[in-house]
Amino acid sequence: GAGVSQSPSNKVTEKGKDVELRCDPISGHTALYWYRQSLGQGLEFLIYFQGNSAPDKSGLPSDRFSAERTGGSVSTLTIQRTQQEDSAVYLCASSLGGAGNYNEQFFGPGTRLTVL
Amino acid sequence: AQRVTQPEKLLSVFKGAPVELKCNYSYSGSPELFWYVQYSRQRLQLLLRHISRESIKGFTADLNKGETSFHLKKPFAQEEDSAMYYCALQGYSTLTFGKGTMLLVSP
Repeated sequence: GAGVSQSPSNKVTEKGKDVELRCDPISGHTALYWYRQSLGQGLEFLIYFQGNSAPDKSGLPSDRFSAERTGGSVSTLTIQRTQQEDSAVYLCASSLGGAGNYNEQFFGPGTRLTVL
Repeated sequence: AQRVTQPEKLLSVFKGAPVELKCNYSYSGSPELFWYVQYSRQRLQLLLRHISRESIKGFTADLNKGETSFHLKKPFAQEEDSAMYYCALQGYSTLTFGKGTMLLVSP
């Protein structure tokens, strides 16, 4: 079946604009994760969903960042009033189980965000 | 707090040479460790996990709790091994990744 998909694949926006990034996890995966991949910073955890709830949002860098998940499936990461330092590749991953289950995380192709 | 350290940003070797990608971790509990790999223009994917104790594409990794290390090794590197490698530590909610090591294997 299809893997994790993300859209758009690339997004160029102007500083101060809001952006929405979408993630479609693998069907049946209850856990969903957002990460940010920046040059020299590796992968930074942003937020974790179990079903529609987000028990861990400790990685969100500021209140300009928010995310939601509906129907236990699709998730949207929203960045308000984008700044140049938000430029990065945003990765989504999903897994069968949640915390403590050590299930393999399957990653999407990422959305490359460029803030001019 | 949990932390993963990959001290080398870049490792360049010749084809056929042995490879060791270093990973050290800090974690108060019993660690669950992984190596993920990202080939050029491909998505990040799991390479191996320590509890499986398996060899994938000739790579192995042994957990050394005394040295808090989980180094990735391969006796004879191949050009197709060139990629970005990330060591990751499973926490309660999610994975903590190191900053990655770029492996370049030259012919």
